[in-house]
Amino acid sequence: DIQMTQSPSSLSASVGDRVTITCQASQDIRNSLNWYQQKPGRAPKLLIYDASNLETGVPSRFSGSGSGTDFTFTISTLQPEDIATYYCHQYDNLPITFGQGTRLEI
Amino acid sequence: EVQLVESGGGLVKPGGSLRLSCAASGFTFRSYTMNWVRQAPGKGLEWVSSISSSSTNIYYSDSVKGRFTISRDDAKNSLFLQMNSLRAEDTATYYCARAEGYCSGGSCYKLAFDVWGQGTMVTVSS
Repeated sequence: DIQMTQSPSSLSASVGDRVTITCQASQDIRNSLNWYQQKPGRAPKLLIYDASNLETGVPSRFSGSGSGTDFTFTISTLQPEDIATYYCHQYDNLPITFGQGTRLEI
Repeated sequence: EVQLVESGGGLVKPGGSLRLSCAASGFTFRSYTMNWVRQAPGKGLEWVSSISSSSTNIYYSDSVKGRFTISRDDAKNSLFLQMNSLRAEDTATYYCARAEGYCSGGSCYKLAFDVWGQGTMVTVSS
């Protein structure tokens, strides 16, 4: 199974900060990686697909980059509504696996 | 409006069975790969199962293989998860999710979960 190591596991930042989360795959997954946001009590929401593509309707302050084994998710200017847990997700090889999540606090 | 609505969760004893349903609306259900993803209380996301359009390809995580069965009824725009031999570790919120891509031969393509249901809670306890 491909292991997805996400870091940090939690993060405290201030409104207006630039926030970066990383996800490392245990083997090459090309660009087969998505990023999700999950707010408490809610279903996950797709933000970034195929490593760097912004899902329709998602604010442009969210971005993703990387390929192979190393990926980065960035919020350029943190907003109060960005309080959530963020997950990376690889689908290159079955079984599909998720990172353990990054809990973002403000 | 594109929507997925899960139902069928509840409290069940270890060894028992439960059938989850996911009703889809607002999109051409038969064209999409459908998936189940679960989340144990306070834990992260775990993929459970995927079924391709036309039910051609079906995949399970090792943790549920042999106990859970995914199926779909395209005429009724519905996805199902039959869960047998339930264990305490199956306790979780179960989400159905849509994906435009597909899986074949052990790999998946463009498999972004772009629409999710609200989830249904399954509790396995005596």
